[in-house]
Amino acid sequence: ETGVTQSPTHLIKTRGQQVTLRCSSQSGHNTVSWYQQALGQGPQFIFQYYREEENGRGNFPPRFSGLQFPNYSSELNVNALELDDSALYLCASSLTGYGYGYTFGSGTRLTVV
Amino acid sequence: RKEVEQDPGPFNVPEGATVAFNCTYSNSASQSFFWYRQDCRKEPKLLMSVYSSGNEDGRFTAQLNRASQYISLLIRDSKLSDSATYLCVVNSHNAGNMLTFGGGTRLMVKP
Repeated sequence: ETGVTQSPTHLIKTRGQQVTLRCSSQSGHNTVSWYQQALGQGPQFIFQYYREEENGRGNFPPRFSGLQFPNYSSELNVNALELDDSALYLCASSLTGYGYGYTFGSGTRLTVV
Repeated sequence: RKEVEQDPGPFNVPEGATVAFNCTYSNSASQSFFWYRQDCRKEPKLLMSVYSSGNEDGRFTAQLNRASQYISLLIRDSKLSDSATYLCVVNSHNAGNMLTFGGGTRLMVKP
């Protein structure tokens, strides 16, 4: 059974650019959530996808958007990057979507310069 | 006020010590509670779920007080390998099933 995989592992972007982060959920998991973790803080919920539909969103602006594909993999897109977007972006997958059995990927570390 | 609050620490303890972490949450609609462990520059990993009746997993004991909206984690006989950040997490099923994390409490166990 493969776990959650994220790509790329590290990324450096310039302010104003756009970025796409990718996540392959654990086999059989149909729910994917994305979190942003700034240095020294706990992860903050960005949004969640269940069966290709967004079914929850945290306090993030519309320039943070996402997709879930039929195979339950997911993308996080961030437009007009700002310096404060520098963080570890974590993807978590689950079967039930109710907080049980969430498995996190190792994350993508994004640096905006 | 943050939805989930924890003392950031660090807690510096010798091997073999007992250490306790506390956490408070503000959303009374929260329904599920967890402790996650996060090693430096790694992803969070589920340590244990927390139930109102209290639950134990080896050296780890978690307690939940819904009336006080308070969660605790007790680690007995600390090991060097317990050094990590411990994240208190709540899930409010009426909010898109999102996990709300505290800022984490850093534990350093010294020889």
